[in-house]
Amino acid sequence: EPEVTQTPSHQVTQMGQEVILRCVPISNHLYFYWYRQILGQKVEFLVSFYNNEISEKSEIFDDQFSVERPDGSNFTLKIRSTKLEDSAMYFCASTVLAGQPNEQFFGPGTRLTVL
Amino acid sequence: GENVEQHPSTLSVQEGDSAVIKCTYSDSASNYFPWYKQELGKRPQLIIDIRSNVGEKKDQRIAVTLNKTAKHFSLHITETQPEDSAVYFCAASKRGNKLVFGAGTILRVKS
Repeated sequence: EPEVTQTPSHQVTQMGQEVILRCVPISNHLYFYWYRQILGQKVEFLVSFYNNEISEKSEIFDDQFSVERPDGSNFTLKIRSTKLEDSAMYFCASTVLAGQPNEQFFGPGTRLTVL
Repeated sequence: GENVEQHPSTLSVQEGDSAVIKCTYSDSASNYFPWYKQELGKRPQLIIDIRSNVGEKKDQRIAVTLNKTAKHFSLHITETQPEDSAVYFCAASKRGNKLVFGAGTILRVKS
């Protein structure tokens, strides 16, 4: 069964450094998302992406964050200058259709630790 | 924007008993309500979902009910087993867009 994959599984970085989290959505999916989950808290929406542009972003997704689909398979989340409070699990998700209620498939997550 | 409230935050049941988790949502335009199970350190896994044109859906020991008028939906797990122990999240979405999650329920099934 196709799955969303993410790399790395764990990233440790110093405050102020840039990080790039990578995701490979399921191949026929068209709508992509990033969510984050601070330890012990709920999953929070960051950004959705469709047709090579951002569809929606949350208040968390400020100028330090950016997303990109650099090729036909990868979907990346960049944090330009990490802060301690960026430490969280970051999940990528994808769904097959836009604008319709369909299951979002989650990747295994990248645990980001900012020191 | 959408807000999803989930109760209880923790739930302990004896093996074989039923468990019920309840969520309310604020945006009447929401039309998709999935439930995710998350084990420690793992990704959220969809266990059941319901769309707004349906009042109830069942899959073996798991069922979900939706009351659109009251804007609440519930997860029912019957004959609970120790492997049902996990964190359960409800979520709401409209037009297939972002998921807004509840705060989660830690379910412990005691054997």
